[in-house]
Amino acid sequence: DMKVTQMPRYLIKRMGENVLLECGQDMSHETMYWYRQDPGLGLQLIYISYDVDSNSEGDIPKGYRVSRKKREHFSLILDSAKTNQTSVYFCASSKGQGFERLFFGHGTKLSVL
Amino acid sequence: AQKVTQTQTSISVMEKTTVTMDCVYETQDSSYFLFWYKQTASGEIVFLIRQDSYKKENATVGHYSLNFQKPKSSIGLIITATQIEDSAVYFCAMREGTSSGQKLVFGQGTILKVYL
Repeated sequence: DMKVTQMPRYLIKRMGENVLLECGQDMSHETMYWYRQDPGLGLQLIYISYDVDSNSEGDIPKGYRVSRKKREHFSLILDSAKTNQTSVYFCASSKGQGFERLFFGHGTKLSVL
Repeated sequence: AQKVTQTQTSISVMEKTTVTMDCVYETQDSSYFLFWYKQTASGEIVFLIRQDSYKKENATVGHYSLNFQKPKSSIGLIITATQIEDSAVYFCAMREGTSSGQKLVFGQGTILKVYL
């Protein structure tokens, strides 16, 4: 069953708190991504991971960090969350070197108050 | 740097008609890959169709097809015989072949509303 799973689906945090968003995939895909979606801006790439412990910044990495210790699991961490990080976060994965289609999770709606 | 632009914010069409959604892109690479994704009302994002830059033939999958105009850096999505369930947000995306790592860059999206 080809699936990307994100936890949690909804999250409310206060400004300054730490946030952990988790993502798992069951397809043994090498490449995984974190995007955020804001109205009118489409999907913006935060980080990309080519495999375990092989991560690279995307277009908007400031304020975020990632961890990938197992191929099937990719975490997004917000240290001391800010109100402008309120957004919907999508995790995705793709086979091989990223030329293939992306499989997306259902997203995590994060509100930072 | 690569860039993808969708200028149509929203389109409304009657059911069973054909609609075209526009997308233009910027890239320095001679080889690149273009994708269209659909985001449903529930938020789910699914892959629809793909065009490789070196292929001259327009890709077609079911009632989705592409109008690839390489000299114009344009990749339009055509949906024929639209159905109510085609109502969604459609995103165009590009992945360069050699540069920019493996980044997939998305356009801003076009909202499609299909009515009876």
